[in-house]
Amino acid sequence: LAKTTQPISMDSYEGQEVNITCSHNNIATNDYITWYQQFPSQGPRFIIQGYKTKVTNEVASLFIPADRKSSTLSLPRVSLSDTAVYYCLVGGYNKLIFGAGTRLAVHP
Amino acid sequence: EAGVTQFPSHSVIEKGQTVTLRCDPISGHDNLYWYRRVMGKEIKFLLHFVKESKQDESGMPNNRFLAERTGGTYSTLKVQPAELEDSGVYFCASSPGSGPSYEQYFGPGTRLTVT
Repeated sequence: LAKTTQPISMDSYEGQEVNITCSHNNIATNDYITWYQQFPSQGPRFIIQGYKTKVTNEVASLFIPADRKSSTLSLPRVSLSDTAVYYCLVGGYNKLIFGAGTRLAVHP
Repeated sequence: EAGVTQFPSHSVIEKGQTVTLRCDPISGHDNLYWYRRVMGKEIKFLLHFVKESKQDESGMPNNRFLAERTGGTYSTLKVQPAELEDSGVYFCASSPGSGPSYEQYFGPGTRLTVT
């Protein structure tokens, strides 16, 4: 099962773009890359998923290079409410495999 | 549409007692998952139901844990007898289908404290 590595924490300010990079050197051919967000006292919430190149939805963009050994979650113009833990998940098929996540703090 | 609900939100029990956690998935979701986060650790998978059948229970820590999903609707997770190391947050999730392309919808979790 692929292991992911991402920064433990990041700080940003309101209105800035935040990029969180995750490395997954051992990703398998059939693995998707999925990002979840978790607020305190809540369960994780799906943000975005991709297999290759770029995926964009109303919340974020996901950039995946050709070798798929890393991925970058991009949050445009963050607000205070984006303060949360962000998890990069790879592999596991039916079961989600969580790492430690990146704790993002957005400051006024 | 109602989301995944879990009951209770918080439970405090003594070591050796029994606790039953309940999860109500989103209506129509055949797939139901249990996860937990014990203190200071990462969220870990416990098991996966497809309807009333256990598809994967590889994450269940030991035989003190029993999960059921009679009728393929809500699920219960019983811990008997509870130990101190069982303290943590237990999450339930559901999805309409199996596989990595299906988003899992999580409930708010049940915080279990064993004293």
